Amino acid sequence: NAGVTQTPKFRILKIGQSMTLQCTQDMNHNYMYWYRQDPGMGLKLIYYSVGAGITDKGEVPNGYNVSRSTTEDFPLRLELAAPSQTSVYFCASMDGSNQPQHFGDGTRLSIL
Amino acid sequence: QQQVKQSPQSLIVQKGGISIINCAYENTAFDYFPWYQQFPGKGPALLIAIRPDVSEKKEGRFTISFNKSAKQFSLHIMDSQPGDSATYFCAASIPGSSYKLIFGSGTRLLVRP
Repeated sequence: NAGVTQTPKFRILKIGQSMTLQCTQDMNHNYMYWYRQDPGMGLKLIYYSVGAGITDKGEVPNGYNVSRSTTEDFPLRLELAAPSQTSVYFCASMDGSNQPQHFGDGTRLSIL
Repeated sequence: QQQVKQSPQSLIVQKGGISIINCAYENTAFDYFPWYQQFPGKGPALLIAIRPDVSEKKEGRFTISFNKSAKQFSLHIMDSQPGDSATYFCAASIPGSSYKLIFGSGTRLLVRP
C-alpha cells in the first residue's frame, strides 16, 4: 500500500501565482485533512473532509480552497500565493474512531 | 481553550537516559490524546495514544502518563536511543469533532551516543 501520497514534494511560487497541492490515499478512508506546519508552531488544520462531497474549514482556512470529488483525492488550492503561505503542507487520512491519522510526507512550499 | 501547550521546545538526552516531554490543556472535553513522532523530511506518525479513563499506557520503551485533575499528560521514553532523535508532537481531540486534532508546538529530541 502506498498510503497517503502528496505531490509535488517541493515547489517555489512567485507572489500572486496559484497552484494545487495534490493528495491521494489508497486506504479507502473517509476522513481527510490538510495541515500546515510552520517552525515551532506545530501543525495547524486548514481544511478537512468527512467524505466525498463534504468539506469544512479548519483553524486557518484563509487563502486556501479544497474539493473532495472522490474518496481517494483531496486537493488543496492556493489561489493568490502570499509569502505568509510559505510552509510545509501535510495531508492526512483516517478511517474513524480509535484509528490514527496517516500522514503523507509533505509538500515544502516557498513563496517569493 | 483549544490550545495544547507543549514543553520543552528542545531536549538533549544521553543514550540510555530518560526523555520526558510534557503537555497541558484547558478544554476538559478533550477525550483522546495521541503522541506523534516525526523524522526529518517525513510526515508525523502515531507513536502512542491514551484516553482519559486510564492514567498510564505503556508500549515498549514509550509511556504516556495522564493526570486528568491537573489536565496534563506526558511522554516518557525509557532507555533513549539515537534512533529516537526526532520531533515529537502531543495532540488532543474532542468527541464529535470529526476526529480533528489540536497539536502542541512540538519538541525536538536529540539523543547523543
